[in-house]
Amino acid sequence: GENVEQHPSTLSVQEGDSAVIKCTYSDSASNYFPWYKQELGKGPQLIIDIRSNVGEKKDQRIAVTLNKTAKHFSLHITETQPEDSAVYFCAAKWRANNLFFGTGTRLTVIP
Amino acid sequence: GAGVSQSPSNKVTEKGKDVELRCDPISGHTALYWYRQSLGQGLEFLIYFQGNSAPDKSGLPSDRFSAERTGGSVSTLTIQRTQQEDSAVYLCASSPFRGDTQYFGPGTRLTVL
Repeated sequence: GENVEQHPSTLSVQEGDSAVIKCTYSDSASNYFPWYKQELGKGPQLIIDIRSNVGEKKDQRIAVTLNKTAKHFSLHITETQPEDSAVYFCAAKWRANNLFFGTGTRLTVIP
Repeated sequence: GAGVSQSPSNKVTEKGKDVELRCDPISGHTALYWYRQSLGQGLEFLIYFQGNSAPDKSGLPSDRFSAERTGGSVSTLTIQRTQQEDSAVYLCASSPFRGDTQYFGPGTRLTVL
């Protein structure tokens, strides 16, 4: 199956700075890469996703980049705000139907 | 519209008891997934339903775990003879037919004493 590694496990940034979270995957057949944000006591919420035929996707302050050759993808959050504080999970969809998740990054934005 | 709902939100049980967790997917979504999230960990796939096809049970950790999906909608995850290591948040997600995007419910926090 797929193996997704995520770094860092914790990340603290000053409000207004950028945050970058990186993930690697093992199976070159993976073709769908979503990012989820999970706030305390809630289920994961999709914030952005990218497919293997695209190298970059942006939605306001959030962007995701994909390097298929190196088998890694990254989440970029610019102009961070306190409400961005949460746990972020990357995932990859292999030839199977389910998602394989990274172990999460706890982002803290310091006001 | 309504999202994925799960009940109960919290469940405390004694070791050895059986528990049932319920998931109501988004209306019209044909695919339904169960995941388990242990404290501080990522999400672990348990089981997948797609329409009337046989479910993919490859993620179930033991034969104490089972799930059903009645009428292609509501799903119930059953854990028999619960153990302390079963304590976790159980998350349900659904997606439309041939869709990749999975929408998650709020989860059920299970505590086995």
